[in-house]
Amino acid sequence: AQSVSQHNHHVILSEAASLELGCNYSYGGTVNLFWYVQYPGQHLQLLLKYFSGDPLVKGIKGFEAEFIKSKFSFNLRKPSVQWSDTAEYFCAVQGPTGNQFYFGTGTSLTVIP
Amino acid sequence: EPEVTQTPSHQVTQMGQEVILRCVPISNHLYFYWYRQILGQKVEFLVSFYNNEISEKSEIFDDQFSVERPDGSNFTLKIRSTKLEDSAMYFCASSPGLAGGPEETQYFGPGTRLLVL
Repeated sequence: AQSVSQHNHHVILSEAASLELGCNYSYGGTVNLFWYVQYPGQHLQLLLKYFSGDPLVKGIKGFEAEFIKSKFSFNLRKPSVQWSDTAEYFCAVQGPTGNQFYFGTGTSLTVIP
Repeated sequence: EPEVTQTPSHQVTQMGQEVILRCVPISNHLYFYWYRQILGQKVEFLVSFYNNEISEKSEIFDDQFSVERPDGSNFTLKIRSTKLEDSAMYFCASSPGLAGGPEETQYFGPGTRLLVL
């Protein structure tokens, strides 16, 4: 089965700082990759996704992620975080067989104004 | 924008009781899923459902669990005899299809927090 690792469990940043959250997965075949965000008290929302093509994908709210196949990674980045980015961030991998998602343990981001 | 909805938002039950968690997937979606998240742990896949039958299930989804699409809009998860360890947040999700592309994106509901006492 797939495993997904998010190495940063808790991240605290000041506003305007740059963000990079790591995500690594275990399978070497074709996979679909996702980042979801969960704001306090809200449900999981899709930030961005990668299926194929340009390995640098842009999502909502200024987030982007880069798929590096050789490193089995799909790190999430944002050049300048805002207080409103405080949330839990989940990396998810889908495939290669079936359509279930495998989630990482999540990274809690706190942005200090 | 269409959303997945879930009811109730919170449910408290006694051990051994049956619970039914309800979900209304996005209307033109074809695939439906249940996931759970035990407090402090990762989101775990339970089951996927397509064309009125289970298409995949995890080891967690044992005989105590069942899913049903009783009508054209609802998708339910039933736990027959709840255990303490069933306490978790249960998320429903739906996706438009399984076409090897963007149609696979899953859209999640807000979750039902189940507490088994």
